[in-house]
Amino acid sequence: DTGVSQDPRHKITKRGQNVTFRCDPISEHNRLYWYRQTLGQGPEFLTYFQNEAQLEKSRLLSDRFSAERPKGSFSTLEIQRTEQGDSAMYLCASSAGGNNEKLFFGSGTQLSVL
Amino acid sequence: AQSVAQPEDQVNVAEGNPLTVKCTYSVSGNPYLFWYVQYPNRGLQFLLKYITGDNLVKGSYGFEAEFNKSQTSFHLKKPSALVSDSALYFCAVRVNYGQNFVFGPGTRLSVLP
Repeated sequence: DTGVSQDPRHKITKRGQNVTFRCDPISEHNRLYWYRQTLGQGPEFLTYFQNEAQLEKSRLLSDRFSAERPKGSFSTLEIQRTEQGDSAMYLCASSAGGNNEKLFFGSGTQLSVL
Repeated sequence: AQSVAQPEDQVNVAEGNPLTVKCTYSVSGNPYLFWYVQYPNRGLQFLLKYITGDNLVKGSYGFEAEFNKSQTSFHLKKPSALVSDSALYFCAVRVNYGQNFVFGPGTRLSVLP
């Protein structure tokens, strides 16, 4: 159990560019979540996978955002045509399943859009 | 819709004194309630959860929380605060039919030596 890892830790990009983040969950976890956190706020839900199936998406997730988990292991979150309002910490979490299972979070990817 | 409120942005307490971090929630089903802690430059870490049963739940690092259904509250407590408890604390709720966790805005706890 090496924990949830996210890459990169920091990303600085110019407005209009595309960015992609990667999350590697704990290996035996079948559920994977993406959250976004801005300064002074709690994490906001973006999307959720069970294995390779994306089962839920927040209305916060505009059509510029897309997430995949192609083999039910790692996941990627892509933001197209970034805007300054996308600047935030993007958090990934995984769990073993079940409605009372706790989440294990990665350290996040800090995105700054200039 | 589910929501979580943490009415205090900041809580200050002297080392050795008891601490309370407040949380209230609003859900339309049976709630699953969680507390997470975030230390600087670290990911959120699970502290404790309430699913069913005893209203007082015990968790990591000596923390406990009391579920109060009539007041829709789930306050986090510790009998004797440590300087190392200083961090950002988040309350979260999940209903028994949903997949999404909803987090509160967080409370910054400062324990003064």
